[in-house]
Amino acid sequence: GQNIDQPTEMTATEGAIVQINCTYQTSGFNGLFWYQQHAGEAPTFLSYNVLDGLEEKGRFSSFLSRSKGYSYLLLKELQMKDSASYLCAVRDGDYKLSFGAGTTVTVRA
Amino acid sequence: IAGITQAPTSQILAAGRRMTLRCTQDMRHNAMYWYRQDLGLGLRLIHYSNTAGTTGKGEVPDGYSVSRANTDDFPLTLASAVPSQTSVYFCASSDGTSGNEQFFGPGTRLTVL
Repeated sequence: GQNIDQPTEMTATEGAIVQINCTYQTSGFNGLFWYQQHAGEAPTFLSYNVLDGLEEKGRFSSFLSRSKGYSYLLLKELQMKDSASYLCAVRDGDYKLSFGAGTTVTVRA
Repeated sequence: IAGITQAPTSQILAAGRRMTLRCTQDMRHNAMYWYRQDLGLGLRLIHYSNTAGTTGKGEVPDGYSVSRANTDDFPLTLASAVPSQTSVYFCASSDGTSGNEQFFGPGTRLTVL
């Protein structure tokens, strides 16, 4: 089976930085995805890592260490619109995605 | 149509009734997926299809069936709904190749009483 862990909730102040950690144990690995999901809406793609290292995309960055089964999503210069759930998902050897339960980030003014 | 659509948006259903959730994509993606999302459990894969004419079971397939007669459509059927199937259902698609993300439909909120 798949085991993907991420914190349930995080709170941060507007303009600050927040790091959301994700650890995983899966049967096979073909990449790790981060999705953003606003309340009542569909998940939308944020980032994809398949090799070790940091991928930067504007205010959002994602890091992967395959040997440690670890990833993080870094959100910089937080804005109120970043209040959402952030989903870590691992693609296994059969190219199916397994999702963590999600981290709800609340940005305070 | 732009992207991936689902119907209905929401539905209240009596236990024991049959229900089909519809999903259509116009991106010519090979792969399609059905997930359910429950509070505290995240998204769980119900069934998937890597290409038209083929389907496979995900993590929680019991009580659900799917078909993939063509590239665009991937309906999910609950043969005899039970209250534990109350959930938000998301359909997704991808072109199936390495590195490509899944695109999600807007979801169907289903309540089984």
